[in-house]
Amino acid sequence: GENVEQHPSTLSVQEGDSAVIKCTYSDSASNYFPWYKQELGKGPQLIIDIRSNVGEKKDQRIAVTLNKTAKHFSLHITETQPEDSAVYFCAASRKDAGNMLTFGGGTRLMVKP
Amino acid sequence: KAGVTQTPRYLIKTRGQQVTLSCSPISGHRSVSWYQQTPGQGLQFLFEYFSETQRNKGNFPGRFSGRQFSNSRSEMNVSTLELGDSALYLCASRWVLGGSPGELFFGEGSRLTVL
Repeated sequence: GENVEQHPSTLSVQEGDSAVIKCTYSDSASNYFPWYKQELGKGPQLIIDIRSNVGEKKDQRIAVTLNKTAKHFSLHITETQPEDSAVYFCAASRKDAGNMLTFGGGTRLMVKP
Repeated sequence: KAGVTQTPRYLIKTRGQQVTLSCSPISGHRSVSWYQQTPGQGLQFLFEYFSETQRNKGNFPGRFSGRQFSNSRSEMNVSTLELGDSALYLCASRWVLGGSPGELFFGEGSRLTVL
């Protein structure tokens, strides 16, 4: 089955700096890669996603890049703000697997004011 | 529009008991998935239901089961509880569009503690 590894497990940055979280996946048939943000006491919330036919996607301060050959994808957050502090999860799924997402282990991002 | 609602939010059970968790998806969403979240294993897929049929099942023992009703509400049941079943159980719903993956909307979860 699919295996998704995520690094780092914790990341501390100063407000205004950039943050990068990296994930690798094992199943070459995976074609959908979402990123979720989970705040304390809440369920995960989708912040951005990318499909395998796209190499990069950007939404304001957030961007995701995908390298299908190397089977890794990354989340980039620029101009970090204290409200970006949360746990971020990458995930992967394949077309024939419906909503069966395989999640990475999570990255706790702390943005210091 | 109301979000995904899960009940109960917190519950404590003892080993050997069973538990039923409930999930009401966003209105119009016909797909409901369940995930288990623990500090050690992270987020793991349990199962997915669409139109009252189980479409996918994760790698969990048969003690974990679920169902979906005609109004898309879903329940999951865990029988013969073990200490390791202590976790946050998350329900997520999605508006299915041609079977392609899309945004999952998660509830706040039901936190189960097994003593």
